[in-house]
Amino acid sequence: GAVVSQHPSWVICKSGTSVKIECRSLDFQATTMFWYRQFPKQSLMLMATSNEGSKATYEQGVEKDKFLINHASLTLSTLTVTSAHPEDSSFYICSARDRRKGFTDTQYFGPGTRLTVL
Amino acid sequence: GQSLEQPSEVTAVEGAIVQINCTYQTSGFYGLSWYQQHDGGAPTFLSYNALDGLEETGRFSSFLSRSDSYGYLLLQELQMKDSASYFCAVRVNNDKIIFGKGTRLHILP
Repeated sequence: GAVVSQHPSWVICKSGTSVKIECRSLDFQATTMFWYRQFPKQSLMLMATSNEGSKATYEQGVEKDKFLINHASLTLSTLTVTSAHPEDSSFYICSARDRRKGFTDTQYFGPGTRLTVL
Repeated sequence: GQSLEQPSEVTAVEGAIVQINCTYQTSGFYGLSWYQQHDGGAPTFLSYNALDGLEETGRFSSFLSRSDSYGYLLLQELQMKDSASYFCAVRVNNDKIIFGKGTRLHILP
């Protein structure tokens, strides 16, 4: 149980285009999902917290208009990188908290999406 | 704000024991977690300490001292497959998790 999937697993796009990444909890409902970005050999940086049915909470320094987050259902959150540029190339990882467990100390991570912007 | 400090790299021999330390400065501290990440993969949860003391899970143990803002991950009977990056992470305000910069563990045969 507690499986989180991401799609696509990797994507290459041209500069200026937008890319949508999906994060799904496959066997549980997630009221809260988190989006992280990780550059090579660096830590995971929390970008935003996504709550089902409400606006995402962005961390300081993360552009809301560039990284659009939608959490339309209890099993799906999407991250759209708008007008992507080469500096947005990174590993994007989502995680989800299981609603059934109320507050849990465990976040279940997706496998990540590697974005390369040419 | 929050800050976590952990060594950037640690090297140990197969079969040995290694300890990875983590110190933190944060407001709204709820607990300390440890995650393992292999190259190209996603982080996997190892342990969580909300209270002072030692938590043991198989070959891995984690310790927390809230008064010292300090914790460590102890790996015993090291295996080559344990070569990975290990992140300490703090839970803040009962909500989000902030990760440290990670410790790269190298294991020698």
